[in-house]
This record gives sequence, C-alpha cells and structure tokens, in this order.
Amino acid sequence: AQTVTQSQPEMSVQEAETVTLSCTYDTSESNYYLFWYKQPPSRQMILVIRQEAYKQQNATENRFSVNFQKAAKSFSLKISDSQLGDTAMYFCAFRPGTYKYIFGTGTRLKVLA
Amino acid sequence: SQTIHQWPATLVQPVGSPLSLECTVEGTSNPNLYWYRQAAGRGLQLLFYSVGIGQISSEVPQNLSASRPQDRQFILSSKKLLLSDSGFYLCAWNLQDYEQFFGPGTRLTVL
Repeated sequence: AQTVTQSQPEMSVQEAETVTLSCTYDTSESNYYLFWYKQPPSRQMILVIRQEAYKQQNATENRFSVNFQKAAKSFSLKISDSQLGDTAMYFCAFRPGTYKYIFGTGTRLKVLA
Repeated sequence: SQTIHQWPATLVQPVGSPLSLECTVEGTSNPNLYWYRQAAGRGLQLLFYSVGIGQISSEVPQNLSASRPQDRQFILSSKKLLLSDSGFYLCAWNLQDYEQFFGPGTRLTVL
C-alpha cells in the first residue's frame, strides 16, 4: 500500500528560528510528485511547496525548502526564520499516479513569540 | 483566475437525515474534482474523485455517494447520516498541473 508517514504530531519553534518537519512515504512508482500543504486555523489548505521526483534539485520557496531523499523515500520541510503566521497544521502529500493524492496525518506546528 | 466554492460552510444534521454538500469551480474547464474528509486530529481521507462528467471513483466504501452533474460541479450526498460522518469535508480540483487547490470546507456535525 502507498502511504505517507509524518512521525511528529506536534512541534514548536521559537520565532526567527529554523524547524524541520519530517515525512516519509512508501511507493513502488518511480515517478511521482510530492507536496507540503499548510492548514492554518482558518482550515484553508494552502500549497507550500512541491517537488517532482525526477528532479534531483531540492525545491525552494522563499523561507521554505525541502530535503528530498528519493532512495530513502524521505521528504522533509525546512522552515527558516519562522514567523508567527507559520503556526498551522502541515500535511505532506504525494501523487504516485495520475489522479490520486495521498496525505499524511499532519504535524501541528506552533511558532512561539 | 480560478476559484472554488463550497456550501454550506457549517451544517448540523440529525442521525438518519440526508446530506447534500455542493462544490463548484469557476474559471476553468474539465477539472479533476475531489472530495476529502478530515476527521478531528486526523489527516485527509480521499472519498471520491472525478475526471469528467458522470465519472466517479470511490476510494472508501461507506454510506456516502458523489455525483458530477456538470463539468464544474461536484456533489457529496448521503441518504442517511451516521454519527461517524461528522467531520470537515474538503473539495479540491486540479488540471494537468499536479497540485490541488482546495475549497474552504464544510464542517458537518451529526447529532
């Protein structure tokens, strides 16, 4: 079965510090897409960053970057210079085929002032 | 630009009552459409997806059903709600691009 595991249910980080959220997945596919979504208290799901499995270069979006280790099936999210607005639930997801997306159970991140 | 709407935003229904949640997308054509459920403290569970009018794929057998009567309309239904149907329901869409775009969600409480 294709699965996504986020082993950290909750994390906290001081404002301006750096935090890394972990994600591992299991698939037999060779080409797929990986995502991190943010769900703030409003519950609106927002795409943070995406990564194509065939690309070796790690994706970066401003303060957000990923560490993609294809052989290890690992896809962690690093948030630099954490801000209070980063407080949210973060979901790791991947799309192994054409249509279906598989989500992890989420990591609740709290940024402390 | 594309937008996605869901209604109602909040719904409280008694056990055994019917359900109809609606999702519409504007500004695009022939999107793939998805229904997810998010239980309290849980991740997103894919319920249904549709790649075209009248085409529905079910991921989890349960007392819910979905329909796509129009290209940009996706409806989630139930004939008789169960307590376990309570949760936060999210509709999403995408095209050939690989990320999904989500609606604002519907909070359903079954009493």
